[in-house]
Amino acid sequence: KQEVTQIPAALSVPEGENLVLNCSFTDSAIYNLQWFRQDPGKGLTSLLLIQSSQREQTSGRLNASLDKSSGRSTLYIAASQPGDSATYLCAVIKGNNRLAFGKGNQVVVIP
Amino acid sequence: SQTIHQWPATLVQPVGSPLSLECTVEGTSNPNLYWYRQAAGRGLQLLFYSVGIGQISSEVPQNLSASRPQDRQFILSSKKLLLSDSGFYLCAWSGRITDTQYFGPGTRLTVL
Repeated sequence: KQEVTQIPAALSVPEGENLVLNCSFTDSAIYNLQWFRQDPGKGLTSLLLIQSSQREQTSGRLNASLDKSSGRSTLYIAASQPGDSATYLCAVIKGNNRLAFGKGNQVVVIP
Repeated sequence: SQTIHQWPATLVQPVGSPLSLECTVEGTSNPNLYWYRQAAGRGLQLLFYSVGIGQISSEVPQNLSASRPQDRQFILSSKKLLLSDSGFYLCAWSGRITDTQYFGPGTRLTVL
């Protein structure tokens, strides 16, 4: 059974600092990996999708890396802003595009 | 562009009552459809997925069921709700091959 772990569960950083969020998974036989953002009481917003053949994916201030062999992915958010405060979810993609989620990293960016 | 709708947005139901949550997708055809639940203190859990009309797969045993009567409609149901059914229910869709998954706004269900 695929297990996805996200560390730390919660963190606070001052505005302007870079954010580093970690995700680990137990079964390296994944198709892809996707990072999402969730604001309180809201649905999920897709941030980045990394294909299993890729090492990283970038969008603006966001960069996600994937190391399948070690079962790890890292999401970097450069120069954090108060608007980046949210919960960030990592999900590995299995057959039929099913997602297995971690419990998330709850981020607070302090102005 | 594609849009995914869920309703109702919030729901408060007594234990033992029935449930029907609806999800519809616009702007795409033959999507894969998914139901997830996010319970307090737990991560998002996949409940059901569907790769076509009438084709439903269950990920976890429970007193919930799902149906897909039309290509872009996905319904989550229960005959008798339990307290443990409380949570935030999210519907999602994706393309046929491994692709980005897009989520709806969710339904907050409270069972009392």
